[in-house]
Amino acid sequence: DTAVSQTPKYLVTQMGNDKSIKCEQNLGHDTMYWYKQDSKKFLKIMFSYNNKELIINETVPNRFSPKSPDKAHLNLHINSLELGDSAVYFCASSQRTGTRSYNEQFFGPGTRLTVL
Amino acid sequence: LAKTTQPISMDSYEGQEVNITCSHNNIATNDYITWYQQFPSQGPRFIIQGYKTKVTNEVASLFIPADRKSSTLSLPRVSLSDTAVYYCLPRYNQGGKLIFGQGTELSVKP
Repeated sequence: DTAVSQTPKYLVTQMGNDKSIKCEQNLGHDTMYWYKQDSKKFLKIMFSYNNKELIINETVPNRFSPKSPDKAHLNLHINSLELGDSAVYFCASSQRTGTRSYNEQFFGPGTRLTVL
Repeated sequence: LAKTTQPISMDSYEGQEVNITCSHNNIATNDYITWYQQFPSQGPRFIIQGYKTKVTNEVASLFIPADRKSSTLSLPRVSLSDTAVYYCLPRYNQGGKLIFGQGTELSVKP
């Protein structure tokens, strides 16, 4: 069983379109994340949810909207796609323990988004 | 300004010990420093995490000085399969930001 899964694995689309990426974790974790990895391999956090509540919202365009229907899912919807959105998007999950907020994160396989 | 800094690349030979140091000023006092390994076309994978001093597991050691302004990942006796990109991830006091280092591309040669 895959711990953190993402769909689709590849996404090729035209500028201006709206698309969604889905993420599911079966680890029972209470915290989920979205990261963007650009062509230079920089990994940057975009959002984090804890128990379906948004706790990290980095400076990303408001065309990006995360949605967490339950603790096991965190989807990413992107409106009006732009060329600069082309990247690999990773979902991850972790479990908070005591005062340690950010423990070991388990990453999904990534979604490679190409905007033409 | 919160910034996580690592060397961009390192070369090594099989059987050597490799140490990768990450600099991170003003990190949160109550959270782990975590290191990840990433192979091409895969998501990052957890290697080790620590809070202070030294932590060792079956694959690596992590050294963290008392001031926690840096951390060093130590890979003993690397093999070709350790060729990957290694990232450190601390959490900063500024708004609790999680900021990955830019990654260190380790190349292990025979």
